[in-house]
Amino acid sequence: GAGVSQSPSNKVTEKGKDVELRCDPISGHTALYWYRQSLGQGLEFLIYFQGNSAPDKSGLPSDRFSAERTGGSVSTLTIQRTQQEDSAVYLCASSLAGQLYEQYFGPGTRLTVT
Amino acid sequence: KQEVTQIPAALSVPEGENLVLNCSFTDSAIYNLQWFRQDPGKGLTSLLLIQSSQREQTSGRLNASLDKSSGRSTLYIAASQPGDSATYLCAVLNSNSGYALNFGKGTSLLVTP
Repeated sequence: GAGVSQSPSNKVTEKGKDVELRCDPISGHTALYWYRQSLGQGLEFLIYFQGNSAPDKSGLPSDRFSAERTGGSVSTLTIQRTQQEDSAVYLCASSLAGQLYEQYFGPGTRLTVT
Repeated sequence: KQEVTQIPAALSVPEGENLVLNCSFTDSAIYNLQWFRQDPGKGLTSLLLIQSSQREQTSGRLNASLDKSSGRSTLYIAASQPGDSATYLCAVLNSNSGYALNFGKGTSLLVTP
């Protein structure tokens, strides 16, 4: 497919469990972003990758959140010891390098922590 | 800290009407501004991207304007259709961060037949 893909589309987990969310960016896009959309909170930035490095992790809400990107392509967002407040839609976006380019978003992963 | 505000929060119009969605931002030092559409339970679809040096962009029935100095953008939708019903989000890319989009909370649009 030509767009950003994310998996799973939905994830229900018990409080305290770890989860991994996956993002496949558009081929050739070197920049990758994770955002979170919580009910009533709007969209908030989490982390940005340029290639495999993450120059800005400032948006990660706590040290339970981590992300990596391998081969300049697929990225995984990991949440350890999930809490109910982690319930949200996690959106991934990718773009060509540089600020002039549009960010293209995937369909998101809806995470529910029970 | 950049604050992005969208007015109105919700809007209902009959089919065929022209309408304007508003977006304002507090820090005018931006690279660009992007308008998105989000359908229920779906991701974001990019509609228009306006670079900081541009005044407007057009795509079909959509026209977006940017007044950077006053911190405002508008999205004009001509001849609205029920299929336009969705949430419209405005996002700005700050010059001092250069990658993290700052989003408004969106305008929920309902176009009734």
